[in-house]
Amino acid sequence: KAGVTQTPRYLIKTRGQQVTLSCSPISGHRSVSWYQQTPGQGLQFLFEYFSETQRNKGNFPGRFSGRQFSNSRSEMNVSTLELGDSALYLCASRAGTGLEKLFFGSGTQLSVL
Amino acid sequence: GNSVTQMEGPVTLSEEAFLTINCTYTATGYPSLFWYVQYPGEGLQLLLKATKADDKGSNKGFEATYRKETTSFHLEKGSVQVSDSAVYFCALSDRSLGGGADGLTFGKGTHLIIQP
Repeated sequence: KAGVTQTPRYLIKTRGQQVTLSCSPISGHRSVSWYQQTPGQGLQFLFEYFSETQRNKGNFPGRFSGRQFSNSRSEMNVSTLELGDSALYLCASRAGTGLEKLFFGSGTQLSVL
Repeated sequence: GNSVTQMEGPVTLSEEAFLTINCTYTATGYPSLFWYVQYPGEGLQLLLKATKADDKGSNKGFEATYRKETTSFHLEKGSVQVSDSAVYFCALSDRSLGGGADGLTFGKGTHLIIQP
Protein backbone atom coordinates (compact mmCIF):
# COMPACT_ATOMS: atom_id res chain seq x y z
CA LYS A 1 0.00 0.00 0.00
CA ALA A 2 1.53 3.32 -1.05
CA GLY A 3 2.11 5.88 1.67
CA VAL A 4 1.27 9.56 1.73
CA THR A 5 2.88 11.24 -1.25
CA GLN A 6 3.80 14.90 -1.31
CA THR A 7 5.03 16.84 -4.31
CA PRO A 8 7.26 18.54 -4.97
CA ARG A 9 9.92 17.51 -2.46
CA TYR A 10 11.75 20.83 -2.65
CA LEU A 11 10.63 24.25 -3.82
CA ILE A 12 12.34 27.62 -4.06
CA LYS A 13 10.27 30.76 -4.48
CA THR A 14 10.74 34.49 -4.05
CA ARG A 15 8.83 36.88 -1.85
CA GLY A 16 5.45 37.89 -3.22
CA GLN A 17 4.98 34.77 -5.31
CA GLN A 18 2.40 32.13 -4.64
CA VAL A 19 2.90 28.39 -4.32
CA THR A 20 0.76 25.26 -4.49
CA LEU A 21 1.74 22.05 -2.74
CA SER A 22 0.13 18.69 -3.41
CA CYS A 23 -0.67 15.72 -1.20
CA SER A 24 -2.00 12.29 -2.16
CA PRO A 25 -3.27 10.39 0.87
CA ILE A 26 -3.15 6.68 1.44
CA SER A 27 -5.78 4.92 -0.63
CA GLY A 28 -9.08 4.87 1.25
CA HIS A 29 -8.15 7.69 3.61
CA ARG A 30 -10.64 10.55 3.49
CA SER A 31 -9.00 12.96 5.92
CA VAL A 32 -6.00 15.09 5.03
CA SER A 33 -4.27 17.48 7.43
CA TRP A 34 -1.51 19.98 6.79
CA TYR A 35 1.22 21.06 9.21
CA GLN A 36 4.01 23.62 9.03
CA GLN A 37 7.35 22.66 10.61
CA THR A 38 10.01 25.27 11.40
CA PRO A 39 13.00 25.17 13.74
CA GLY A 40 11.63 28.07 15.79
CA GLN A 41 7.94 27.22 16.06
CA GLY A 42 8.06 23.46 15.68
CA LEU A 43 5.04 21.76 14.15
CA GLN A 44 1.92 23.83 13.78
CA PHE A 45 -1.48 22.69 12.53
CA LEU A 46 -2.70 24.47 9.41
CA PHE A 47 -6.00 22.79 8.52
CA GLU A 48 -7.78 19.51 8.01
CA TYR A 49 -10.06 18.40 5.19
CA PHE A 50 -12.52 15.54 5.22
CA SER A 51 -14.67 14.63 2.25
CA GLU A 52 -13.80 17.89 0.49
CA THR A 53 -14.83 20.05 3.47
CA GLN A 54 -12.51 21.94 5.78
CA ARG A 55 -13.15 20.65 9.28
CA ASN A 56 -10.64 22.53 11.33
CA LYS A 57 -8.27 25.41 10.87
CA GLY A 58 -5.23 26.47 12.81
CA ASN A 59 -4.09 29.97 13.59
CA PHE A 60 -2.63 31.02 10.25
CA PRO A 61 -3.40 34.07 8.08
CA GLY A 62 -5.77 33.89 5.15
CA ARG A 63 -2.81 33.67 2.75
CA PHE A 64 -2.77 29.97 3.61
CA SER A 65 -5.59 28.04 2.01
CA GLY A 66 -6.34 24.55 0.91
CA ARG A 67 -8.79 22.31 -0.80
CA GLN A 68 -9.56 18.65 -1.19
CA PHE A 69 -10.78 16.90 -4.30
CA SER A 70 -13.30 14.11 -4.67
CA ASN A 71 -10.48 11.56 -4.84
CA SER A 72 -9.22 12.85 -1.43
CA ARG A 73 -6.10 14.41 -2.91
CA SER A 74 -5.41 17.78 -1.34
CA GLU A 75 -3.61 20.94 -2.30
CA MET A 76 -2.33 23.73 -0.13
CA ASN A 77 -1.80 27.23 -1.47
CA VAL A 78 0.20 30.07 0.00
CA SER A 79 -0.20 33.46 -1.64
CA THR A 80 2.05 36.51 -1.36
CA LEU A 81 4.93 34.51 0.09
CA GLU A 82 6.96 35.95 2.95
CA LEU A 83 10.44 34.96 4.10
CA GLY A 84 8.91 33.51 7.25
CA ASP A 85 6.92 31.01 5.20
CA SER A 86 10.11 29.03 4.61
CA ALA A 87 9.39 25.70 6.26
CA LEU A 88 8.82 22.00 5.82
CA TYR A 89 5.14 21.48 5.01
CA LEU A 90 3.85 18.10 6.10
CA CYS A 91 0.69 16.40 4.99
CA ALA A 92 -0.96 13.61 6.97
CA SER A 93 -3.86 11.35 6.20
CA ARG A 94 -6.14 9.07 8.18
CA ALA A 95 -9.18 7.00 7.40
CA GLY A 96 -11.74 9.02 9.36
CA THR A 97 -11.81 11.89 11.78
CA GLY A 98 -11.46 10.06 15.06
CA LEU A 99 -8.28 9.16 16.85
CA GLU A 100 -7.00 6.86 14.17
CA LYS A 101 -3.34 6.90 13.49
CA LEU A 102 -2.10 9.74 11.34
CA PHE A 103 0.20 8.80 8.48
CA PHE A 104 2.61 11.54 7.47
CA GLY A 105 4.28 12.20 4.15
CA SER A 106 7.95 13.19 3.88
CA GLY A 107 7.02 16.82 3.33
CA THR A 108 7.72 19.63 0.91
CA GLN A 109 10.65 21.83 1.86
CA LEU A 110 9.77 25.40 0.81
CA SER A 111 12.45 28.07 0.72
CA VAL A 112 11.40 31.67 0.19
CA LEU A 113 14.19 34.00 -0.96
CA GLY B 1 -5.35 27.09 24.72
CA ASN B 2 -3.63 23.76 24.42
CA SER B 3 0.12 23.41 24.66
CA VAL B 4 2.81 20.76 24.95
CA THR B 5 6.20 21.29 26.56
CA GLN B 6 9.10 18.94 26.13
CA MET B 7 12.86 19.08 26.57
CA GLU B 8 14.42 20.13 23.27
CA GLY B 9 17.87 18.65 23.55
CA PRO B 10 19.87 17.48 21.86
CA VAL B 11 19.95 14.57 24.25
CA THR B 12 23.06 12.45 23.79
CA LEU B 13 23.26 8.96 25.30
CA SER B 14 25.41 5.91 24.95
CA GLU B 15 23.98 2.70 23.52
CA GLU B 16 22.09 0.61 26.11
CA ALA B 17 21.51 3.62 28.37
CA PHE B 18 18.11 4.34 29.93
CA LEU B 19 16.10 7.03 28.19
CA THR B 20 13.57 9.50 29.58
CA ILE B 21 12.15 12.36 27.55
CA ASN B 22 9.86 14.56 29.60
CA CYS B 23 6.58 15.87 28.26
CA THR B 24 3.96 17.95 30.04
CA TYR B 25 0.77 19.40 28.62
CA THR B 26 -2.06 21.82 29.17
CA ALA B 27 -5.45 21.17 27.63
CA THR B 28 -8.98 22.47 28.03
CA GLY B 29 -10.79 19.18 27.51
CA TYR B 30 -10.03 15.47 27.55
CA PRO B 31 -6.93 15.04 25.42
CA SER B 32 -5.44 11.98 23.91
CA LEU B 33 -1.66 11.91 24.03
CA PHE B 34 0.85 10.75 21.45
CA TRP B 35 4.53 10.31 20.80
CA TYR B 36 5.66 10.63 17.20
CA VAL B 37 9.17 9.98 15.87
CA GLN B 38 10.85 11.60 12.87
CA TYR B 39 13.88 9.93 11.32
CA PRO B 40 16.18 12.07 9.13
CA GLY B 41 14.58 12.97 5.80
CA GLU B 42 11.30 11.32 6.67
CA GLY B 43 7.85 12.31 7.85
CA LEU B 44 6.57 11.66 11.34
CA GLN B 45 5.54 8.18 12.44
CA LEU B 46 3.26 7.38 15.34
CA LEU B 47 5.29 5.68 18.06
CA LEU B 48 2.62 5.19 20.74
CA LYS B 49 -0.53 6.74 22.13
CA ALA B 50 -2.78 6.82 25.21
CA THR B 51 -6.37 7.96 25.12
CA LYS B 52 -7.29 8.28 28.80
CA ALA B 53 -5.76 8.77 32.23
CA ASP B 54 -3.53 5.94 33.50
CA ASP B 55 -3.34 4.33 30.06
CA LYS B 56 0.12 3.13 29.10
CA GLY B 57 1.16 3.24 25.46
CA SER B 58 4.01 1.03 24.32
CA ASN B 59 5.80 0.13 21.11
CA LYS B 60 9.30 -1.02 20.09
CA GLY B 61 10.46 -1.01 23.72
CA PHE B 62 9.25 2.56 24.32
CA GLU B 63 6.61 3.29 26.96
CA ALA B 64 4.68 6.31 28.19
CA THR B 65 1.96 6.56 30.84
CA TYR B 66 -0.81 9.18 30.74
CA ARG B 67 -0.62 10.93 34.13
CA LYS B 68 -3.55 13.28 34.55
CA GLU B 69 -2.54 14.37 38.05
CA THR B 70 0.81 15.68 36.82
CA THR B 71 -0.36 16.42 33.23
CA SER B 72 2.58 14.43 31.92
CA PHE B 73 3.33 11.78 29.33
CA HIS B 74 7.04 11.03 29.69
CA LEU B 75 8.66 8.71 27.15
CA GLU B 76 10.95 5.96 28.46
CA LYS B 77 13.04 3.14 27.07
CA GLY B 78 15.16 0.79 29.10
CA SER B 79 18.01 0.28 26.65
CA VAL B 80 18.45 2.55 23.64
CA GLN B 81 20.08 1.62 20.35
CA VAL B 82 21.91 3.68 17.75
CA SER B 83 18.89 3.16 15.48
CA ASP B 84 16.74 5.10 17.97
CA SER B 85 18.51 8.33 16.99
CA ALA B 86 15.76 10.63 15.73
CA VAL B 87 13.59 13.56 16.76
CA TYR B 88 10.75 12.68 19.13
CA PHE B 89 7.57 14.75 19.34
CA CYS B 90 5.02 14.70 22.12
CA ALA B 91 1.53 15.70 20.96
CA LEU B 92 -2.04 15.98 22.13
CA SER B 93 -5.42 15.91 20.48
CA ASP B 94 -8.23 17.62 22.36
CA ARG B 95 -11.67 16.21 21.67
CA SER B 96 -13.53 18.94 23.50
CA LEU B 97 -13.78 21.26 20.52
CA GLY B 98 -16.88 20.22 18.63
CA GLY B 99 -16.37 16.48 18.85
CA GLY B 100 -14.02 14.33 16.87
CA ALA B 101 -10.29 14.65 16.93
CA ASP B 102 -8.94 18.03 15.98
CA GLY B 103 -5.52 19.04 14.78
CA LEU B 104 -2.68 17.78 16.89
CA THR B 105 -0.79 20.19 19.13
CA PHE B 106 2.89 19.26 19.09
CA GLY B 107 5.80 19.94 21.36
CA LYS B 108 8.91 21.36 19.68
CA GLY B 109 10.61 18.00 19.48
CA THR B 110 13.57 16.41 21.24
CA HIS B 111 16.57 15.48 19.16
CA LEU B 112 17.98 12.19 20.48
CA ILE B 113 21.49 11.09 19.57
CA ILE B 114 22.66 7.61 20.54
CA GLN B 115 26.39 6.97 20.38
CA PRO B 116 27.81 3.45 19.95
